Amino acid sequence: AQSVTQLDSQVPVFEEAPVELRCNYSSSVSVYLFWYVQYPNQGLQLLLKYLSGSTLVKGINGFEAEFNKSQTSFHLRKPSVHISDTAEYFCAVSPISGSARQLTFGSGTQLTVLP
Amino acid sequence: EPEVTQTPSHQVTQMGQEVILRCVPISNHLYFYWYRQILGQKVEFLVSFYNNEISEKSEIFDDQFSVERPDGSNFTLKIRSTKLEDSAMYFCASRMGLSNQPQHFGDGTRLSIL
Repeated sequence: AQSVTQLDSQVPVFEEAPVELRCNYSSSVSVYLFWYVQYPNQGLQLLLKYLSGSTLVKGINGFEAEFNKSQTSFHLRKPSVHISDTAEYFCAVSPISGSARQLTFGSGTQLTVLP
Repeated sequence: EPEVTQTPSHQVTQMGQEVILRCVPISNHLYFYWYRQILGQKVEFLVSFYNNEISEKSEIFDDQFSVERPDGSNFTLKIRSTKLEDSAMYFCASRMGLSNQPQHFGDGTRLSIL
């Protein structure tokens, strides 16, 4: 079984400031890691994914995340945020083995970018 | 870019009634999923579907729930006798057959049980 913890439910930040959204996971099996973003009244859009290889992965809209196996973390970062980044961000994992690959989500972090 | 489409966007139903939520996955995808998000809670996995049968289901997916792929394009979630606690946002997702491909989500159906 897997579990995902997003340590901050709400993160307010001023425009053009850097931001880090934290994610820790627990799993008895190897997993793939994902960040999804949800804008108001929309579905979940994939930001980035870690499958293997380089621990620093780059995604859309200038976001990046770093996989740290020893700390079982996958924190999301952006060096300079924009008003349009205001959204809910979800960290998720899925098992590498098995065919279903169902996602286990964290509880989400609401990022609010202030002018 | 192809996308997953869900209808309706909002469904209001009386408690005890049957409801069917509809999804059209991306056309060349092989794995299909339903998730739900109760207001203020996590997105939770309900069921996965592959090769015309359920491949995994969660504890939430009890006998009141069923899924079907009635034709080559639609993927439906039926709740036989709705309860107040079924009120949630329901998301459909699909994935290609390759093991490392991510799931693509629809915009969801908000189900309100009165």
